[in-house]
Amino acid sequence: LAKTTQPISMDSYEGQEVNITCSHNNIATNDYITWYQQFPSQGPRFIIQGYKTKVTNEVASLFIPADRKSSTLSLPRVSLSDTAVYYCLVGGYILTGGGNKLTFGTGTQLKVEL
Amino acid sequence: GAVVSQHPSRVICKSGTSVKIECRSLDFQATTMFWYRQFPKQSLMLMATSNEGSKATYEQGVEKDKFLINHASLTLSTLTVTSAHPEDSSFYICSARPPDTNTEAFFGQGTRLTVV
Repeated sequence: LAKTTQPISMDSYEGQEVNITCSHNNIATNDYITWYQQFPSQGPRFIIQGYKTKVTNEVASLFIPADRKSSTLSLPRVSLSDTAVYYCLVGGYILTGGGNKLTFGTGTQLKVEL
Repeated sequence: GAVVSQHPSRVICKSGTSVKIECRSLDFQATTMFWYRQFPKQSLMLMATSNEGSKATYEQGVEKDKFLINHASLTLSTLTVTSAHPEDSSFYICSARPPDTNTEAFFGQGTRLTVV
């Protein structure tokens, strides 16, 4: 699986938009990009997944440039409850299949303050 | 969405004893489940892949005789930490995804193991 690099931590304030960028220079042609959120003492929770351009759901947007060597998770108008660790993972679409393991990088600790 | 449940959520045991952690897929069948370990302020580290009806596949450096995995049914995988020691204290998390569908992986809520 392609290695990912993210900032170790980010700080923000309530109501602001937060963008977390992940580098994955060795991404393969059939790799997808998936982001997970983890609160303390809980298992990770899926946020969003994409292959190219832009994907948006009810909680976030994912921007992927044409070369796909990076991606940016965008959280609109964060609140205190968005304080968590965010992980960027890269792997084949068979991530959503049945048997493919996920490799977690270091993640980004987002801290949202009042 | 699909739910993966772990039990117990936390356990304290004495050094030298064994502890069993259960991981269940509540509304789907999972031929494969994954077990992770997470130390404080660190990322999740994959320990092993649990395969229904066959032996688990362990990651490099994980002792298969210490971390026994049994995946006897399509909805249940168990991780047994044998002869636990304080250094085994960690947060253990399981994961599974519904087969043959384009859905994400679902994670259990984790089990906090403390060995005293």
